[in-house]
Amino acid sequence: GIQVEQSPPDLILQEGANSTLRCNFSDSVNNLQWFHQNPWGQLINLFYIPSGTKQNGRLSATTVATERYSLLYISSSQTTDSGVYFCAVLTQGGSEKLVFGKGTKLTVNP
Amino acid sequence: DSGVTQTPKHLITATGQRVTLRCSPRSGDLSVYWYQQSLDQGLQFLIQYYNGEERAKGNILERFSAQQFPDLHSELNLSSLELGDSALYFCASSAELSGNTIYFGEGSWLTVV
Repeated sequence: GIQVEQSPPDLILQEGANSTLRCNFSDSVNNLQWFHQNPWGQLINLFYIPSGTKQNGRLSATTVATERYSLLYISSSQTTDSGVYFCAVLTQGGSEKLVFGKGTKLTVNP
Repeated sequence: DSGVTQTPKHLITATGQRVTLRCSPRSGDLSVYWYQQSLDQGLQFLIQYYNGEERAKGNILERFSAQQFPDLHSELNLSSLELGDSALYFCASSAELSGNTIYFGEGSWLTVV
């Protein structure tokens, strides 16, 4: 099945810093989403981005489908950005399950 | 608020018991997914239903079963519970089979003691 790899596995930042999280996937996809899991366990949709670039406030994401990777940018990080960021992909060809990477654990210190 | 509602939010039960987790998808969404998140396994896909029919199956144990009802809500039944079944169980929904944003509920925390 498709492999989804996220890097780095852990990231510690000072408030105000910028960061880039990466997601590599091993096969063509027709759905890619970024999620933030907060310390209370909630999975929050950040972006639906099978290709192209999107921005939402301090967050932006870019997916280059032909090269099989996606990037999540967090600018001017805040302590509330702490948590685990997951990339998940839905493969083409009829297998309708969203496959998650292992996530990047982000800690933003004040 | 994603619009996906899961109950109960927390559940503590003994080994060998049976529990039912309930999910109401977002209004209008036909597709429902169940996921299990444990510390050692990460987020694992269990099963997907679309408009009442099973569409995809993942790493779901035989002791677990699910269904989607005509009103589109779904239930995940977990039986003969073991300590290792302790996990956060998520329900998610989307409008169609694929190619749409998938929204997750807040999860049901299951602790088996």
